[in-house]
Amino acid sequence: DAGVTQSPTHLIKTRGQQVTLRCSPKSGHDTVSWYQQALGQGPQFIFQYYEEEERQRGNFPDRFSGHQFPNYSSELNVNALLLGDSALYLCASSLDGDNSPLHFGNGTRLTVT
Amino acid sequence: QQQVKQSPQSLIVQKGGISIINCAYENTAFDYFPWYQQFPGKGPALLIAIRPDVSEKKEGRFTISFNKSAKQFSLHIMDSQPGDSATYFCAVPNTGTASKLTFGTGTRLQVTL
Repeated sequence: DAGVTQSPTHLIKTRGQQVTLRCSPKSGHDTVSWYQQALGQGPQFIFQYYEEEERQRGNFPDRFSGHQFPNYSSELNVNALLLGDSALYLCASSLDGDNSPLHFGNGTRLTVT
Repeated sequence: QQQVKQSPQSLIVQKGGISIINCAYENTAFDYFPWYQQFPGKGPALLIAIRPDVSEKKEGRFTISFNKSAKQFSLHIMDSQPGDSATYFCAVPNTGTASKLTFGTGTRLQVTL
């Protein structure tokens, strides 16, 4: 049973460019959340997708957007990249409901130069 | 905005010793308090979680203690092993569900021989 898979594992972009990160949730999970983890910090919630809609959002600008597909996979898009966007981007999946814990992927390491 | 304070920032424990990590939060309308373990290059993995209807939960060498009145919960690792060397994060749900989490800043644990 595959867990959460993310691609690519590493990415280097130039300031001002756009990037798309991808996530396949754990089998059977229908909810996908994205987190940003800066070096030496805890993960910060970006947003959550359920039934192909953004359900909750953290304190991130509109440059951060996402999408969920009918097969529950998800994409995170970041436009107009800034140096400060350099981080590990984590995807986490869960079942909808209060009792479902998060299962994280190993993340995409984004470096903006 | 939920604040989660985690301490200590780093911890060095000898093999066989007890590791203790503390976490304090602000709001009480939650029902789920997890600890995550993260190894370098990996995503966070759920280690153990507690619900506030109990004051303590034990799974093997790992124990969570919960003090609702003090708004604190802690992780105890008994008989610490070198393989426990990792970064540990406490987390608190923002909206009463398990999926939108505010993480602590992390504790880097090193278990020495």
